[in-house]
Amino acid sequence: AQSVTQLGSHVSVSEGALVLLRCNYSSSVPPYLFWYVQYPNQGLQLLLKYTTGATLVKGINGFEAEFKKSETSFHLTKPSAHMSDAAEYFCAVNDQAGTALIFGKGTTLSVSS
Amino acid sequence: GAVVSQHPSWVICKSGTSVKIECRSLDFQATTMFWYRQFPKQSLMLMATSNEGSKATYEQGVEKDKFLINHASLTLSTLTVTSAHPEDSSFYICSLTGGRHTDTQYFGPGTRLTVL
Repeated sequence: AQSVTQLGSHVSVSEGALVLLRCNYSSSVPPYLFWYVQYPNQGLQLLLKYTTGATLVKGINGFEAEFKKSETSFHLTKPSAHMSDAAEYFCAVNDQAGTALIFGKGTTLSVSS
Repeated sequence: GAVVSQHPSWVICKSGTSVKIECRSLDFQATTMFWYRQFPKQSLMLMATSNEGSKATYEQGVEKDKFLINHASLTLSTLTVTSAHPEDSSFYICSLTGGRHTDTQYFGPGTRLTVL
């Protein structure tokens, strides 16, 4: 069975600081990995995804993530945080295209000025 | 990306009534649709998976007679909460995949249901 663990339910950074949101997964087959962002009372917006190929994936709004098979990780980073990045972030996994996603519990990112 | 709409965005109803939530794909044919619910400050929990023209597959613990799902076409799925009770109050979100987006799920904006 697949699972996702997001370390740190709440991360606080200063504006301009590095953002690092951690995600570890468990999967018996090569995973498809995703990061989504959710703003209050809204649906989820896809930030980036890894399916195959290059292990460093770039997404929207300056975010990127690196798939590390040996560490079963898919951490999300952004070099410089903006106030507008404050939101809930979810890491998710599935084992093949078209199947349901398994979500982590989410990480709330707070950005202070 | 893909554009997904949900209607209504929020609804308040009395206990015992039924509520229908629509999820539409606006720009691609979605062969598979998923319905999730999300309680405050929690993650998304899968309720059911539906493929166009087939009966929905429900997750363990989700009452199929209470949460009726109809995947009527490649662009429309509906979730009907029958005889709603206060404990059904939640944020319901649909996601779609298929067509040129088979490896990604795109989410609707969600529907906030409050049952009084």
